[in-house]
Amino acid sequence: DIQMTQSPSSLSASVGDRVTITCQASQDISNYLNWYQQKPGKAPKLLIYDASNLETGVPSRFSGSGSGTDFTFTISSLQPEDIATYYCQQYDNLLWTFGQGTKVEIK
Amino acid sequence: QVQLVQSGAEVKKPGASVKVSCKASGYTFTSYGISWVRQAPGQGLEWMGWISAYNGNTNYAQKLQGRVTMTTDTSTSTAYMELRSLRSDDTAVYYCARCSSMFGDGYMDVWGKGTTVTVSS
Repeated sequence: DIQMTQSPSSLSASVGDRVTITCQASQDISNYLNWYQQKPGKAPKLLIYDASNLETGVPSRFSGSGSGTDFTFTISSLQPEDIATYYCQQYDNLLWTFGQGTKVEIK
Repeated sequence: QVQLVQSGAEVKKPGASVKVSCKASGYTFTSYGISWVRQAPGQGLEWMGWISAYNGNTNYAQKLQGRVTMTTDTSTSTAYMELRSLRSDDTAVYYCARCSSMFGDGYMDVWGKGTTVTVSS
Protein backbone atom coordinates (compact mmCIF):
# COMPACT_ATOMS: atom_id res chain seq x y z
CA ASP A 1 0.00 0.00 0.00
CA ILE A 2 1.05 3.58 -0.59
CA GLN A 3 1.82 5.35 2.68
CA MET A 4 0.98 9.02 3.16
CA THR A 5 3.08 10.98 5.64
CA GLN A 6 1.34 14.18 6.70
CA SER A 7 2.94 16.91 8.78
CA PRO A 8 2.67 18.49 11.19
CA SER A 9 0.25 16.41 13.26
CA SER A 10 -1.00 19.61 14.87
CA LEU A 11 -0.41 23.33 14.68
CA SER A 12 -1.53 26.49 16.40
CA ALA A 13 -1.76 29.76 14.49
CA SER A 14 -3.33 33.18 14.80
CA VAL A 15 -6.30 34.46 12.85
CA GLY A 16 -5.00 35.84 9.57
CA ASP A 17 -1.88 33.67 9.51
CA ARG A 18 -0.83 31.61 6.52
CA VAL A 19 -1.00 27.91 7.36
CA THR A 20 0.78 25.17 5.41
CA ILE A 21 0.39 21.40 5.70
CA THR A 22 2.48 18.91 3.76
CA CYS A 23 1.77 15.39 2.62
CA GLN A 24 4.40 13.02 1.24
CA ALA A 25 3.60 9.82 -0.64
CA SER A 26 5.77 6.72 -0.40
CA GLN A 27 5.81 6.52 -4.20
CA ASP A 28 4.87 8.63 -7.20
CA ILE A 29 1.10 9.24 -7.28
CA SER A 30 1.06 11.89 -10.02
CA ASN A 31 -1.66 14.35 -8.95
CA TYR A 32 -4.00 11.73 -7.44
CA LEU A 33 -4.26 13.58 -4.16
CA ASN A 34 -7.27 15.10 -2.38
CA TRP A 35 -7.67 17.21 0.78
CA TYR A 36 -10.54 17.05 3.28
CA GLN A 37 -11.60 19.08 6.29
CA GLN A 38 -13.27 17.45 9.28
CA LYS A 39 -14.84 19.36 12.14
CA PRO A 40 -15.54 17.57 15.44
CA GLY A 41 -18.53 15.25 15.27
CA LYS A 42 -19.03 15.88 11.56
CA ALA A 43 -18.34 14.00 8.35
CA PRO A 44 -15.33 15.04 6.31
CA LYS A 45 -15.76 17.65 3.60
CA LEU A 46 -13.90 17.72 0.29
CA LEU A 47 -11.85 20.90 -0.19
CA ILE A 48 -9.28 20.17 -2.92
CA TYR A 49 -9.24 17.40 -5.53
CA ASP A 50 -6.54 16.24 -7.93
CA ALA A 51 -3.91 18.14 -5.90
CA SER A 52 -4.88 21.67 -6.86
CA ASN A 53 -8.55 21.93 -7.89
CA LEU A 54 -10.83 23.82 -5.52
CA GLU A 55 -14.16 22.08 -4.90
CA THR A 56 -17.19 24.19 -5.80
CA GLY A 57 -18.27 26.46 -2.97
CA VAL A 58 -15.01 26.21 -1.03
CA PRO A 59 -13.46 29.59 -0.12
CA SER A 60 -10.50 30.67 -2.22
CA ARG A 61 -8.23 30.99 0.84
CA PHE A 62 -7.80 27.23 0.58
CA SER A 63 -5.36 25.95 -2.04
CA GLY A 64 -3.30 22.90 -2.91
CA SER A 65 -0.21 22.18 -4.97
CA GLY A 66 2.28 19.48 -5.80
CA SER A 67 2.70 16.34 -7.85
CA GLY A 68 4.63 13.11 -7.70
CA THR A 69 5.39 12.50 -4.03
CA ASP A 70 5.25 15.94 -2.40
CA PHE A 71 2.10 17.96 -1.85
CA THR A 72 1.17 21.12 0.02
CA PHE A 73 -2.13 22.41 1.38
CA THR A 74 -2.38 26.10 2.30
CA ILE A 75 -4.84 28.32 4.10
CA SER A 76 -3.80 31.82 3.03
CA SER A 77 -5.48 33.62 5.93
CA LEU A 78 -6.67 31.46 8.80
CA GLN A 79 -10.23 32.13 9.96
CA PRO A 80 -11.91 30.98 13.19
CA GLU A 81 -14.22 28.67 11.24
CA ASP A 82 -11.19 26.83 9.82
CA ILE A 83 -10.56 25.08 13.13
CA ALA A 84 -10.66 21.44 12.13
CA THR A 85 -8.55 18.43 11.27
CA TYR A 86 -7.30 18.24 7.70
CA TYR A 87 -6.52 15.01 5.85
CA CYS A 88 -4.79 14.24 2.59
CA GLN A 89 -5.92 11.17 0.66
CA GLN A 90 -4.40 9.43 -2.37
CA TYR A 91 -6.17 7.26 -4.94
CA ASP A 92 -3.38 5.78 -7.01
CA ASN A 93 -3.73 2.09 -8.09
CA LEU A 94 -7.34 1.93 -6.81
CA LEU A 95 -6.25 1.39 -3.19
CA TRP A 96 -6.85 4.60 -1.32
CA THR A 97 -5.11 5.79 1.83
CA PHE A 98 -5.37 8.82 4.09
CA GLY A 99 -2.67 10.78 5.82
CA GLN A 100 -2.69 10.79 9.61
CA GLY A 101 -4.36 14.21 9.79
CA THR A 102 -3.34 17.69 10.95
CA LYS A 103 -5.29 19.35 13.75
CA VAL A 104 -5.43 23.12 13.29
CA GLU A 105 -6.10 25.30 16.31
CA ILE A 106 -6.25 29.04 16.96
CA LYS A 107 -3.45 30.53 19.03
CA GLN B 1 -30.43 17.73 -3.25
CA VAL B 2 -27.70 15.12 -3.40
CA GLN B 3 -27.52 13.18 -0.16
CA LEU B 4 -26.56 9.89 1.42
CA VAL B 5 -28.65 8.67 4.35
CA GLN B 6 -27.11 5.99 6.54
CA SER B 7 -28.74 3.47 8.83
CA GLY B 8 -28.80 3.88 12.59
CA ALA B 9 -26.33 3.04 15.30
CA GLU B 10 -25.53 -0.60 16.07
CA VAL B 11 -24.24 -2.43 19.11
CA LYS B 12 -22.74 -5.85 18.44
CA LYS B 13 -20.95 -8.56 20.38
CA PRO B 14 -17.46 -9.72 19.40
CA GLY B 15 -17.63 -12.29 16.63
CA ALA B 16 -20.91 -10.99 15.24
CA SER B 17 -21.54 -9.23 11.91
CA VAL B 18 -22.91 -5.81 11.10
CA LYS B 19 -24.47 -4.51 7.90
CA VAL B 20 -24.68 -0.75 7.38
CA SER B 21 -26.81 0.78 4.63
CA CYS B 22 -26.37 4.01 2.70
CA LYS B 23 -29.32 5.27 0.63
CA ALA B 24 -28.53 7.72 -2.13
CA SER B 25 -30.83 10.35 -3.57
CA GLY B 26 -30.65 13.37 -5.83
CA TYR B 27 -28.33 11.88 -8.46
CA THR B 28 -28.01 8.95 -10.86
CA PHE B 29 -26.78 6.21 -8.52
CA THR B 30 -25.21 4.03 -11.21
CA SER B 31 -23.00 6.83 -12.55
CA TYR B 32 -20.78 6.85 -9.46
CA GLY B 33 -19.07 4.68 -6.90
CA ILE B 34 -19.46 4.48 -3.14
CA SER B 35 -16.55 4.35 -0.73
CA TRP B 36 -16.67 3.36 2.92
CA VAL B 37 -14.45 5.09 5.47
CA ARG B 38 -14.30 4.48 9.20
CA GLN B 39 -12.99 6.43 12.16
CA ALA B 40 -12.24 4.86 15.52
CA PRO B 41 -12.75 7.08 18.57
CA GLY B 42 -10.15 9.84 18.65
CA GLN B 43 -8.38 8.44 15.58
CA GLY B 44 -7.95 9.40 11.94
CA LEU B 45 -9.81 8.33 8.85
CA GLU B 46 -9.36 4.80 7.47
CA TRP B 47 -10.44 3.91 3.95
CA MET B 48 -12.18 0.53 3.92
CA GLY B 49 -12.98 0.01 0.28
CA TRP B 50 -15.00 1.02 -2.72
CA ILE B 51 -17.76 -0.36 -4.92
CA SER B 52 -18.85 0.76 -8.35
CA ALA B 53 -22.60 1.28 -8.49
CA TYR B 54 -22.24 0.93 -12.26
CA ASN B 55 -20.93 -2.66 -12.45
CA GLY B 56 -20.47 -3.86 -8.86
CA ASN B 57 -16.66 -3.97 -9.04
CA THR B 58 -15.02 -3.68 -5.66
CA ASN B 59 -11.65 -2.87 -4.08
CA TYR B 60 -11.06 -3.52 -0.41
CA ALA B 61 -8.31 -2.36 1.93
CA GLN B 62 -5.89 -5.22 2.44
CA LYS B 63 -6.30 -5.32 6.21
CA LEU B 64 -10.05 -5.97 5.84
CA GLN B 65 -9.88 -8.50 2.99
CA GLY B 66 -11.95 -11.56 3.89
CA ARG B 67 -14.02 -9.76 6.54
CA VAL B 68 -15.75 -7.04 4.54
CA THR B 69 -18.26 -7.20 1.69
CA MET B 70 -19.68 -4.19 -0.13
CA THR B 71 -22.78 -4.47 -2.27
CA THR B 72 -25.32 -2.26 -3.97
CA ASP B 73 -29.03 -2.51 -4.77
CA THR B 74 -29.57 -0.34 -7.82
CA SER B 75 -33.36 -0.73 -7.59
CA THR B 76 -33.34 1.24 -4.35
CA SER B 77 -30.11 3.26 -4.87
CA THR B 78 -28.69 1.77 -1.70
CA ALA B 79 -25.18 0.64 -0.87
CA TYR B 80 -24.34 -1.81 1.90
CA MET B 81 -21.22 -2.59 3.87
CA GLU B 82 -21.07 -5.84 5.86
CA LEU B 83 -18.24 -6.47 8.31
CA ARG B 84 -17.91 -9.92 9.87
CA SER B 85 -16.07 -11.41 12.85
CA LEU B 86 -16.28 -8.12 14.69
CA ARG B 87 -13.62 -7.22 17.24
CA SER B 88 -13.45 -4.44 19.79
CA ASP B 89 -11.13 -2.44 17.52
CA ASP B 90 -13.88 -2.32 14.88
CA THR B 91 -15.70 0.12 17.15
CA ALA B 92 -15.91 3.25 15.01
CA VAL B 93 -18.06 5.66 13.09
CA TYR B 94 -18.60 4.27 9.59
CA TYR B 95 -19.12 6.71 6.73
CA CYS B 96 -20.26 6.14 3.18
CA ALA B 97 -19.21 8.66 0.56
CA ARG B 98 -19.97 9.16 -3.12
CA CYS B 99 -16.94 8.70 -5.36
CA SER B 100 -16.62 11.01 -8.32
CA SER B 101 -15.86 8.09 -10.64
CA MET B 102 -17.54 4.74 -11.28
CA PHE B 103 -14.12 3.20 -11.96
CA GLY B 104 -12.36 3.37 -8.60
CA ASP B 105 -10.50 6.62 -8.88
CA GLY B 106 -11.34 10.20 -8.03
CA TYR B 107 -12.51 11.86 -4.87
CA MET B 108 -15.30 11.65 -2.29
CA ASP B 109 -17.57 14.65 -2.75
CA VAL B 110 -20.74 13.74 -0.84
CA TRP B 111 -20.70 12.07 2.57
CA GLY B 112 -23.24 10.40 4.79
CA LYS B 113 -23.50 11.54 8.41
CA GLY B 114 -21.98 8.34 9.73
CA THR B 115 -23.16 5.23 11.57
CA THR B 116 -21.73 4.42 14.98
CA VAL B 117 -20.90 0.75 15.44
CA THR B 118 -19.97 -0.35 18.93
CA VAL B 119 -18.48 -3.78 19.53
CA SER B 120 -18.71 -4.82 23.15
CA SER B 121 -19.35 -7.95 25.17
